[in-house]
Amino acid sequence: EAQVTQNPRYLITVTGKKLTVTCSQNMNHEYMSWYRQDPGLGLRQIYYSMNVEVTDKGDVPEGYKVSRKEKRNFPLILESPSPNQTSLYFCASSYSGVSSPLHFGNGTRLTVT
Amino acid sequence: GQNIDQPTEMTATEGAIVQINCTYQTSGFNGLFWYQQHAGEAPTFLSYNVLDGLEEKGRFSSFLSRSKGYSYLLLKELQMKDSASYLCAVKDSNYQLIWGAGTKLIIKP
Repeated sequence: EAQVTQNPRYLITVTGKKLTVTCSQNMNHEYMSWYRQDPGLGLRQIYYSMNVEVTDKGDVPEGYKVSRKEKRNFPLILESPSPNQTSLYFCASSYSGVSSPLHFGNGTRLTVT
Repeated sequence: GQNIDQPTEMTATEGAIVQINCTYQTSGFNGLFWYQQHAGEAPTFLSYNVLDGLEEKGRFSSFLSRSKGYSYLLLKELQMKDSASYLCAVKDSNYQLIWGAGTKLIIKP
């Protein structure tokens, strides 16, 4: 089944404790992206990757890191999480065509205390 | 700056028709997407418009007017399962998606 898999679905952590949210897609998509979603603000892009070893900042990259060593994987790293990073996170992927829609993972609800 | 406007919330009755509007101001235009998002779930793709006019897909249709910077999503024969948020997103001249905040649609019996 074609899908984007994110883990974990739920994560509660404390300020400053490094964490990684994994994302993997099995559709051979070139493009991958991370979003956070907060009430009233909609989806905001954190980082994106047009292909392997190519990553770029989105609208809200501060406090986050990503890597794209393989085409299928695009992990999101929070080196020192803070409470303002409490949010719902989505990984998404697509083919690189203009009209290609995004396929989203099921989301990771992160709480930083 | 770039901006996409959608109503925050709309209410409609089961079996009726509802139109969700989206207006945009972006640097360039390379297509407009509509996504559906049920509470706590991932967005799922509904439609893509790049040329003016109406695209119909079953009970859902999407309209685009590039000269007016305007789109709408039309949902017919509303069902309770259509209760969700509807997200409008535009691809700009750099092929980046600009997202609206979404419209929460409440369906009443």
